[in-house]
Amino acid sequence: QVQLQESGPRLVRPSESLSLTCTVSGGSVSSGSDYWNWIRQPPGKGLQWIGYIFQSGGTTYNPSLKSRVTISLDTSKRQFSLKMTSMTPADTAVYYCARGLRFAPWGQGTLVTVSS
Amino acid sequence: DIQMTQSPSTLSASVGDRVTITCRASQSIVTWLAWYQQKPGRAPNLLIYQASNLESGVPSRFSGSGSGTEFTLTISRLQPDDFATYYCQQYDSSPLTFGGGTKVEIK
Repeated sequence: QVQLQESGPRLVRPSESLSLTCTVSGGSVSSGSDYWNWIRQPPGKGLQWIGYIFQSGGTTYNPSLKSRVTISLDTSKRQFSLKMTSMTPADTAVYYCARGLRFAPWGQGTLVTVSS
Repeated sequence: DIQMTQSPSTLSASVGDRVTITCRASQSIVTWLAWYQQKPGRAPNLLIYQASNLESGVPSRFSGSGSGTEFTLTISRLQPDDFATYYCQQYDSSPLTFGGGTKVEIK
């Protein structure tokens, strides 16, 4: 069965960029008609969808974050990645990757703290 | 953006109770709605998709209904493992959006 695992730095300085990678095991990122998503959850708060990349490479982003976000796909490594620029403390959150438009499965999540 | 409004935000219930959570969309999403369960420190887990379809492996005490703008998640007989936070999510149109969550607490 497909499993997802996020990786990347846990601490980011204000104004710097965040780069996270999601590694997919048990399946391919380039087969079928899957969407590969990034979602985040600030501590104690609700869920916010960041954006997705389709298996063809097309992307759709949340308009509220669109100017700062890039999602890319590396089919050879079975990975997709998130880059978010100009990070502020308000971007402190658990960042999840997930498959599909109804999200399943999810990665375990990684807490990213934005602090100097 | 399609706004998703869940009610109540907190629900106190006892083991064995029947529990219903409501989710309203700001415009019609047909049946493009999913429900998730999240426990502290864990990723959300898909329970229901397309408003009423039970995800594989999810106990049959969970059920979903609704269409258009009003949807419900029902837990027929609450079990100790069900105390958690529940979220609805629409996937009718971008941006994909979630409800604010309903925390089910022990009464």
